[in-house]
Amino acid sequence: DTVLTQSPALAVSPGERVSISCRASEGVNSYMHWYQQKPGQQPKLLIYKASNLASGVPARFSGSGSGTDFTLTIDPVEADDTATYFCQQSWNDPDTFGAGTKLELK
Amino acid sequence: QVSLKESGPGILQPFQTLSLTCSFSGFSLGTSNMGVGWIRQTSGKGLEYLATIWWDDDKYFNPSLNSRLTVSKDTSNNQAFLKITSVDTADTGTYYCTQRDYYSGAFDYWGQGVMVTVSS
Repeated sequence: DTVLTQSPALAVSPGERVSISCRASEGVNSYMHWYQQKPGQQPKLLIYKASNLASGVPARFSGSGSGTDFTLTIDPVEADDTATYFCQQSWNDPDTFGAGTKLELK
Repeated sequence: QVSLKESGPGILQPFQTLSLTCSFSGFSLGTSNMGVGWIRQTSGKGLEYLATIWWDDDKYFNPSLNSRLTVSKDTSNNQAFLKITSVDTADTGTYYCTQRDYYSGAFDYWGQGVMVTVSS
């Protein structure tokens, strides 16, 4: 299976820019997607196919990358962005998810 | 507006069969390129992809659970179903159904999830 590696946690101050990385153990083309999960809630799609903003998602969120290295950027970060962020690839079978990056606000 | 909701038994015993229902609105599995995906979240493995059923009744399963999984749909009633046979404590977790996009492979919308506990 394709392993997706994310850093476990980040802490930033409101108004700053933050980049969350996801590295795949093998190429996934551009078929990387990003989700936000707040405590007690279901995940919510933010970015699909590496760089496409999902419907209703603020433009503060953006995605980039291809192949094995991908980045989710939030600029500027707001207090409401406190959550865990997951990447998911759908290029190789089976679909796999990263373990998540917990974003905390200072 | 897309909405999905999972329902299931809550608690079951080892070796029983888990049956989950996903009731949805805002889209149809009779429409081309639509799918319902099943994902679970456990303390042991985090988010884990289980299976997808597509509008044309094509089905994809995670090979690690393939032999234990069954997915089906009732297009007329906007429902999808997941069965997992011979459950054990490792199957304890929150189960989500999602609307899935055929072209991107992303899980566009998620249900609120249903908690399933396997315990003797």
